[in-house]
Amino acid sequence: AQSVTQLDSQVPVFEEAPVELRCNYSSSVSVYLFWYVQYPNQGLQLLLKYLSGSTLVKGINGFEAEFNKSQTSFHLRKPSVHISDTAEYFCAVSDRFGNQFYFGTGTSLTVIP
Amino acid sequence: GAVVSQHPSWVICKSGTSVKIECRSLDFQATTMFWYRQFPKQSLMLMATSNEGSKATYEQGVEKDKFLINHASLTLSTLTVTSAHPEDSSFYICSARDPSGGTTDTQYFGPGTRLTVL
Repeated sequence: AQSVTQLDSQVPVFEEAPVELRCNYSSSVSVYLFWYVQYPNQGLQLLLKYLSGSTLVKGINGFEAEFNKSQTSFHLRKPSVHISDTAEYFCAVSDRFGNQFYFGTGTSLTVIP
Repeated sequence: GAVVSQHPSWVICKSGTSVKIECRSLDFQATTMFWYRQFPKQSLMLMATSNEGSKATYEQGVEKDKFLINHASLTLSTLTVTSAHPEDSSFYICSARDPSGGTTDTQYFGPGTRLTVL
């Protein structure tokens, strides 16, 4: 079975500052890793995903994440945040068949003007 | 990318009534669809896995008689909340698995349905 831990439930950051949202996972098998963003009262939007290949994955809206197998981490980063980045961010892991997704508890990112 | 729709986007109903939520894959055939539930400020919890033409597989603690799932076609799955009560108020999100990607297939999420039971 897989599990996902998002260590920070809330992250406040000033506009144009860099941000890192942490995600660690545990799994006994090879996995796919995802970051989703959820704006208020909306569904999930895929930011980026790691399936294989390069460990540095670039996504939409200037976000990127790095897969670190030895540390079982998949932290999300953005060098300069905007007010519009204020949202809930979920890290998720699935097996290689795209079956059950396990979600982290989410990190609420608040960008302060 | 693949698109998954849900209908309705929000619904308000009286306690004791039943509510049906539809999940459609718009540009691919989904042999498997998933239903999630999200309480305010919490993560998504998988309720059940729906396979086309067969019975759904429910997660532990989810009442199958209360949350009826029907996956009648390769592009449509429905979730019916029977005899809804205020504690069933939640955000329900479906996802559909696109098998056309070979070993790298993944799930695509719908926009969610906000259910409020009065």
